[in-house]
Amino acid sequence: DSGVTQTPKHLITATGQRVTLRCSPRSGDLSVYWYQQSLDQGLQFLIQYYNGEERAKGNILERFSAQQFPDLHSELNLSSLELGDSALYFCASSVTPGTHGRNEKLFFGSGTQLSVL
Amino acid sequence: ILNVEQSPQSLHVQEGDSTNFTCSFPSSNFYALHWYRWETAKSPEALFVMTLNGDEKKKGRISATLNTKEGYSYLYIKGSQPEDSATYLCAFGGDSGGGADGLTFGKGTHLIIQP
Repeated sequence: DSGVTQTPKHLITATGQRVTLRCSPRSGDLSVYWYQQSLDQGLQFLIQYYNGEERAKGNILERFSAQQFPDLHSELNLSSLELGDSALYFCASSVTPGTHGRNEKLFFGSGTQLSVL
Repeated sequence: ILNVEQSPQSLHVQEGDSTNFTCSFPSSNFYALHWYRWETAKSPEALFVMTLNGDEKKKGRISATLNTKEGYSYLYIKGSQPEDSATYLCAFGGDSGGGADGLTFGKGTHLIIQP
């Protein structure tokens, strides 16, 4: 158990809908990352928050947004969903910002499997 | 777009044999190279984080080496056991210059240990 909690584990929805994925980082970790794992793709970095502030942005679509709350949990909002958004979404956490991935191993949650029908 | 390649894509190894696989990454703007083990139905788990050229890390029967000048890392597993069956991911931490941060992951090497 990594200590990172993601809910829900599975989510089935229809095209055009909006969903919210939730992540609670490990106790003491200030940094939260969101990754998307699509079929035949490696884990794609979406966005990172550190202590409530957006730290870095990757390949995140404009239809997606995220935030980190004062209690450090984070939510990833996906709107106007398309079939291609079906994927496994991971949250990960680390203690420090870990600029460019230096010196900080990530602790991953178990993921949310999103199916858009 | 950063290119992180892992080979082979999949590997079948007999229990007790040793094996290794490769991660190739850009040799410029390097900051860190991570290895993760991802078992089926679980979440990826960090094995190593390496930051210096020539780094060697070891954890039990698993070890890794790093060559940042030529842009590759090897992961070695000695005396493979069934519990080593997993997908092994490498991830490159570098400055893409495009403003994006975070790790760039390879697609992984899927290792199956046959008893």
